[in-house]
Amino acid sequence: AQTVTQSQPEMSVQEAETVTLSCTYDTSESDYYLFWYKQPPSRQMILVIRQEAYKQQNATENRFSVNFQKAAKSFSLKISDSQLGDAAMYFCAYRPRIIQGAQKLVFGQGTRLTINP
Amino acid sequence: DTEVTQTPKHLVMGMTNKKSLKCEQHMGHRAMYWYKQKAKKPPELMFVYSYEKLSINESVPSRFSPECPNSSLLNLHLHALQPEDSALYLCASSQGTWTYEQYFGPGTRLTVT
Repeated sequence: AQTVTQSQPEMSVQEAETVTLSCTYDTSESDYYLFWYKQPPSRQMILVIRQEAYKQQNATENRFSVNFQKAAKSFSLKISDSQLGDAAMYFCAYRPRIIQGAQKLVFGQGTRLTINP
Repeated sequence: DTEVTQTPKHLVMGMTNKKSLKCEQHMGHRAMYWYKQKAKKPPELMFVYSYEKLSINESVPSRFSPECPNSSLLNLHLHALQPEDSALYLCASSQGTWTYEQYFGPGTRLTVT
């Protein structure tokens, strides 16, 4: 069974600084997707960034970037120039890339990020 | 338009009540999902609809009854719920079940008294 582990239940960072959230996963699949979702107090889950396993290049979306280490099954999220609006629960998620049939998103337990002004 | 809408935002119901949650998307997505989320926990998948047919039922109790009347609309009918069913109920959609990106709605906060 696939599992996703986020070992940091809570993190905090000073505004404008950089923070890295950790995620490891376990799978026997070779082709899959990895995601970071953000859930602010407003509750809506927002996709922050995604990574296709077959791509060696790390994904980047503005201030958000990932460090994808396929062999180590590690997928960390780096947030640069942290802003107050980045405060949220962050979930790492995995999904196998199988064409037929419905596939589940497997979520980690989440990391609550606090931004200190 | 990348919006999934959910109504109502909040719902309080007694254990003998019947109520429904509604989810709507107009992105042309053909897969829709219901998740249940308890406080400080990740979402748990309940149901998946693909092309308006139930594709996955994660052994959810029969007091939760999903319905997909058309490709844009997903309902969750609630009956005889228990207090432990109180949670945030999230709806999501994706272009297809095989594509990678799910878009989530803002959720319905359900309290069962």
